[in-house]
Amino acid sequence: GAVVSQHPSRVICKSGTSVKIECRSLDFQATTMFWYRQFPKQSLMLMATSNEGSKATYEQGVEKDKFLINHASLTLSTLTVTSAHPEDSSFYICSASEIGTEAFFGQGTRLTVV
Amino acid sequence: GQQLNQSPQSMFIQEGEDVSMNCTSSSIFNTWLWYKQDPGEGPVLLIALYKAGELTSNGRLTAQFGITRKDSFLNISASIPSDVGIYFCAGRAGGTSYGKLTFGQGTILTVHP
Repeated sequence: GAVVSQHPSRVICKSGTSVKIECRSLDFQATTMFWYRQFPKQSLMLMATSNEGSKATYEQGVEKDKFLINHASLTLSTLTVTSAHPEDSSFYICSASEIGTEAFFGQGTRLTVV
Repeated sequence: GQQLNQSPQSMFIQEGEDVSMNCTSSSIFNTWLWYKQDPGEGPVLLIALYKAGELTSNGRLTAQFGITRKDSFLNISASIPSDVGIYFCAGRAGGTSYGKLTFGQGTILTVHP
């Protein structure tokens, strides 16, 4: 079946630095990928919709300059958390779908900002 | 915006018992999905529902798409310890499979052996 791979699975960074998270569709092409944020024991909150070859669409309240999304190819989308602060610590999850199927989710990235 | 209310928030049951959880929406959805999430992992799709009134099973799991299009339920029969996890409902208003999803708050399931 279709697989979505997210890397890294865990990352610890210092406050003020930037962190890049990759989301790859391993055996299918994904024109659309989604990025979610999840706090402990809470639901998935959609951050943005990533479209290949065009600008991402951000949900209300999500700072596009803070969370940079690039979808340069049909198999890769990246989320960069810029100038990270402790309040950015969270579980970030991507999903990707090919036409006609439901989205598959990556395994998530646990970001800890110290 | 669209909101999904999922209940119960948590359940503590004995192995072998049946489980039921549901989601209600303030607006109509064209697709209802049910996911399971294990700790530290991404959600995994359990059942997808596309038609109002549809009843679909996947092993011990059964889910239904409410006739009003504003609700859905998931039943798990004869629970086993590996059923432990967080279950999420998700709805999609659009007609394409790659439209964005709205997630419920989740139901934390604990199964005692």
